[in-house]
Amino acid sequence: AQSVTQLDSHVSVSEGTPVLLRCNYSSSYSPSLFWYVQHPNKGLQLLLKYTSAATLVKGINGFEAEFKKSETSFHLTKPSAHMSDAAEYFCVVSDGPLNTGKLIFGQGTTLQVKP
Amino acid sequence: NAGVTQTPKFRILKIGQSMTLQCTQDMNHNYMYWYRQDPGMGLKLIYYSVGAGITDKGEVPNGYNVSRSTTEDFPLRLELAAPSQTSVYFCASRPQGLSYEQYFGPGTRLTVT
Repeated sequence: AQSVTQLDSHVSVSEGTPVLLRCNYSSSYSPSLFWYVQHPNKGLQLLLKYTSAATLVKGINGFEAEFKKSETSFHLTKPSAHMSDAAEYFCVVSDGPLNTGKLIFGQGTTLQVKP
Repeated sequence: NAGVTQTPKFRILKIGQSMTLQCTQDMNHNYMYWYRQDPGMGLKLIYYSVGAGITDKGEVPNGYNVSRSTTEDFPLRLELAAPSQTSVYFCASRPQGLSYEQYFGPGTRLTVT
């Protein structure tokens, strides 16, 4: 069965410093992986997705993630944090073609950005 | 396109009451999903549908029912509301194909007291 673990429940950075949100996954086949962002009291917005093309995936707002099969990781990074990046971030894996593409969510990482 | 729309945005129910959460998408997507999000947690799948007339249970279906009579609509029914159903409910949809990216509605915040 597929699963996803977000290694940090809370990350705090200063504005202008790099962001690293860590995610490990478990999958019995080549997975589709996503990062979604949720701003307070808002819905979920797709940041980026990996679907077996390039291992380095670029998303919106300067975020990117690298798929590392050997480490079963899909960490999210951004070179320079902005105040508007403060939000909840979810790493998500799809249960893929054998089923109905259901998404399995991690617990979430709260990103705090300090001025 | 409006995308995925959900009504109502907020609702307070008394224990034992019933209600239907509405979800509509205008993207002609085959697949639709209902999730709940409890405080500090990720989303958990309640029910999903792969097309009109076809629904199936997700991870946490107890206390809920769904129907899918059209491609556009996927309502979620709570028959006997309980405090444990206090949550934020998200509807999502996706097209046929191998992308698996889902498009989410804005959510319904439900409180049962």
